[in-house]
Amino acid sequence: SAVISQKPSRDICQRGTSLTIQCQVDSQVTMMFWYRQQPGQSLTLIATANQGSEATYESGFVIDKFPISRPNLTFSTLTVSNMSPEDSSIYLCSAGALAGSTDTQYFGPGTRLTVL
Amino acid sequence: GQQLNQSPQSMFIQEGEDVSMNCTSSSIFNTWLWYKQDPGEGPVLLIALYKAGELTSNGRLTAQFGITRKDSFLNISASIPSDVGIYFCAGVNAGNNRKLIWGLGTSLAVNP
Repeated sequence: SAVISQKPSRDICQRGTSLTIQCQVDSQVTMMFWYRQQPGQSLTLIATANQGSEATYESGFVIDKFPISRPNLTFSTLTVSNMSPEDSSIYLCSAGALAGSTDTQYFGPGTRLTVL
Repeated sequence: GQQLNQSPQSMFIQEGEDVSMNCTSSSIFNTWLWYKQDPGEGPVLLIALYKAGELTSNGRLTAQFGITRKDSFLNISASIPSDVGIYFCAGVNAGNNRKLIWGLGTSLAVNP
């Protein structure tokens, strides 16, 4: 398994500002992902964070709104840009493709974002 | 996007009772995963299944990868109050580039 930490754990932000969320894994991993989860709902994949190249975004998510960095095999950031109240959600990062468990993903504790 | 059919949506049971929930798909999956999420936390992996017919236990939890590769179930035996939470199934199908497809979750409440 992998231990994943996220910072900040929660934040309250003003409309129009940006927030960068950090995700740190305790071991090198091939795959890292970013998700959004609305209260009481399932997880929605935002993008796959690719090490050394641009992230791969899912339908409905764009790089200008959710820029992602992945400078190495243990760290990634997600920025929520020009925020609006609709961006209020829980943002989760996950790590996958660990040795011996190619499809299994392990999750961080999440960042709870409230936009006023 | 694609989602798995997870049922039941919610359950309210007495402590000590057994629980069963399942997920189905219209397409074949290579991997089935079961997670539990507590309020304010990220999902925690309970059981991972990689082969059709595989039956795996983790303490009081047992999960099976359906023989048709289109379904999976999770059983919890002798439930206790700390089993309360939301249980999600997730799967990976062939050619999906390791992206998880999620069920909508089963909310479990346990009456002590």
